[in-house]
Amino acid sequence: DAGVIQSPRHEVTEMGQEVTLRCKPISGHNSLFWYRQTMMRGLELLIYFNNNVPIDDSGMPEDRFSAKMPNASFSTLKIQPSEPRDSAVYFCASSLDIPYSNQPQHFGDGTRLSIL
Amino acid sequence: KNEVEQSPQNLTAQEGEFITINCSYSVGISALHWLQQHPGGGIVSLFMLSSGKKKHGRLIATINIQEKHSSLHITASHPRDSAVYICAVLSNSGYALNFGKGTSLLVTP
Repeated sequence: DAGVIQSPRHEVTEMGQEVTLRCKPISGHNSLFWYRQTMMRGLELLIYFNNNVPIDDSGMPEDRFSAKMPNASFSTLKIQPSEPRDSAVYFCASSLDIPYSNQPQHFGDGTRLSIL
Repeated sequence: KNEVEQSPQNLTAQEGEFITINCSYSVGISALHWLQQHPGGGIVSLFMLSSGKKKHGRLIATINIQEKHSSLHITASHPRDSAVYICAVLSNSGYALNFGKGTSLLVTP
């Protein structure tokens, strides 16, 4: 059974470039989360989708960040233009979930992003 | 102030030792998660609990809802247990996890 699949695993690019991170959640899961992990701040929620609809994007740092979920099996997180302070590991997670339920979240392997 | 506090931040132990990692939180929760992250690797869910105790192999997780505290215990520790252990809570009114900063564990042979 495939887990959450993220791509790419690593991304190195120059500042100002557009970056697109991709996530395929576990089939049948209807909640999807994008998290960012940094040394300073640890893991933080960026955005939460339920049934492909963005429910909470209050963690998205600024307008340079955008996320979409065009269907139940695919989501993207885009940064445009990218800045060195965006360097972090970005995790996607999914769960078989309704709000406030106690379903475990399954994490992808993350995308390690470095902006030079 | 972070809603989830872990201690210790770093921990070094010798193989075979009994290890305890603590997590305190300040909000009402519906569930608490213990996660494991190996260097350069992804995040794996070890336990999800809302009361009492759970055991899986050499790992034991306990939670005291009244005291807003949870512990993760590792018995007969092994070098392959070396990882970052992260406590995360799901608040009563939330849907996304609120994470502690993690405890970095190194088990030496």
